[in-house]
Amino acid sequence: GQQLNQSPQSMFIQEGEDVSMNCTSSSIFNTWLWYKQDPGEGPVLLIALYKAGELTSNGRLTAQFGITRKDSFLNISASIPSDVGIYFCAGLFMDSNYQLIWGAGTKLIIKP
Amino acid sequence: DTGVSQDPRHKITKRGQNVTFRCDPISEHNRLYWYRQTLGQGPEFLTYFQNEAQLEKSRLLSDRFSAERPKGSFSTLEIQRTEQGDSAMYLCASTIGFNTEAFFGQGTRLTVV
Repeated sequence: GQQLNQSPQSMFIQEGEDVSMNCTSSSIFNTWLWYKQDPGEGPVLLIALYKAGELTSNGRLTAQFGITRKDSFLNISASIPSDVGIYFCAGLFMDSNYQLIWGAGTKLIIKP
Repeated sequence: DTGVSQDPRHKITKRGQNVTFRCDPISEHNRLYWYRQTLGQGPEFLTYFQNEAQLEKSRLLSDRFSAERPKGSFSTLEIQRTEQGDSAMYLCASTIGFNTEAFFGQGTRLTVV
């Protein structure tokens, strides 16, 4: 089936550093969504992208819908302790019957 | 609170027992999804409803799983004869129409012992 390759799997960073993660696929997607999930909680929507090349910000978070429509990037600037969690990308493509396809997540850990 | 609500938050059950979970979507959302998530993985699609109609079920959904949305509002997910492999977080999400900004509930953590 369709898959999203999300990388990195985990990141250890210092507070204040910038963070980058991405998702790629061999398929063309119509929509990219980025979620954050804290332990024991459901995913919370961060950013939604609907057009190729679209760049959208939500506070310190910025996400981009790749020009090829096969990838997306999420950047977090000046990380703070509450950024810790797992970030998931999810995509929707033409023949998916509106089922989201999910990446495996990027676990963000901030070094004390 | 007008978000997606799931009940219970946690459920521990003995193998072989039946369990039922409830999801109350955002009130004006007509699409409702059930997902299963195991540790270290993204959510896996189980099934979805548009209003009261169950439009698609994943091949992951064995015959022991059944979902309903009788009046197009809240939904229930029942697992019969639970197995240890059913232990997971069960997530519900809702969206309005074809808008894919799906909003998730806090999930129900099932542990089968």
